[in-house]
Amino acid sequence: AQSVTQPDIHITVSEGASLELRCNYSYGATPYLFWYVQSPGQGLQLLLKYFSGDTLVQGIKGFEAEFKRSQSSFNLRKPSVHWSDAAEYFCAVGSNAGGTSYGKLTFGQGTILTVHP
Amino acid sequence: GAVVSQHPSRVICKSGTSVKIECRSLDFQATTMFWYRQFPKQSLMLMATSNEGSKATYEQGVEKDKFLINHASLTLSTLTVTSAHPEDSSFYICSASPVLETQYFGPGTRLLVL
Repeated sequence: AQSVTQPDIHITVSEGASLELRCNYSYGATPYLFWYVQSPGQGLQLLLKYFSGDTLVQGIKGFEAEFKRSQSSFNLRKPSVHWSDAAEYFCAVGSNAGGTSYGKLTFGQGTILTVHP
Repeated sequence: GAVVSQHPSRVICKSGTSVKIECRSLDFQATTMFWYRQFPKQSLMLMATSNEGSKATYEQGVEKDKFLINHASLTLSTLTVTSAHPEDSSFYICSASPVLETQYFGPGTRLLVL
């Protein structure tokens, strides 16, 4: 069975500092990997996704993530954090078991990001 | 574009009653919709996958008779929590998928059963 681990429950950074959110996955085949952000009162928003190809993926809002198969990781990074980035971030792995969908997502526990001015 | 709405956003009900939650894709058609449950300070857990015009596929451990899912059209799926009890209190989130590798999430419905 697939699983996702986000080791950091809560991270605090200063505005303008760099950010890295960790994500490790367990999946038997080539994973389909996602990062979502959840703000209060809003639905999860897709930041970026990896299906294949270039292992460094660019997303919205200046985020990027790097797929490292050898480390089973898909860490999210941003060079300079803005106060508006404060939210909860979820890493997810999707399966296409039986070709039914890539939508059967397994989510990590989430990382809450606090940004200090 | 790609907006998914849920109604209601919050609902409080008495134990033993049933509650219906609607999930709508407002500007696209969704052949597949998903229902998730999120406990406080925990991750989202997939409850079921719903395809338009067919029966929902429930994840292991999810009672299909308690959580009735109907996907009657390409823009609407409903989740009915039957005979709700306090342990059913949770945050329910739907997502809609226009194509297999993309899904858009609704804002969620907070259910409190007294």
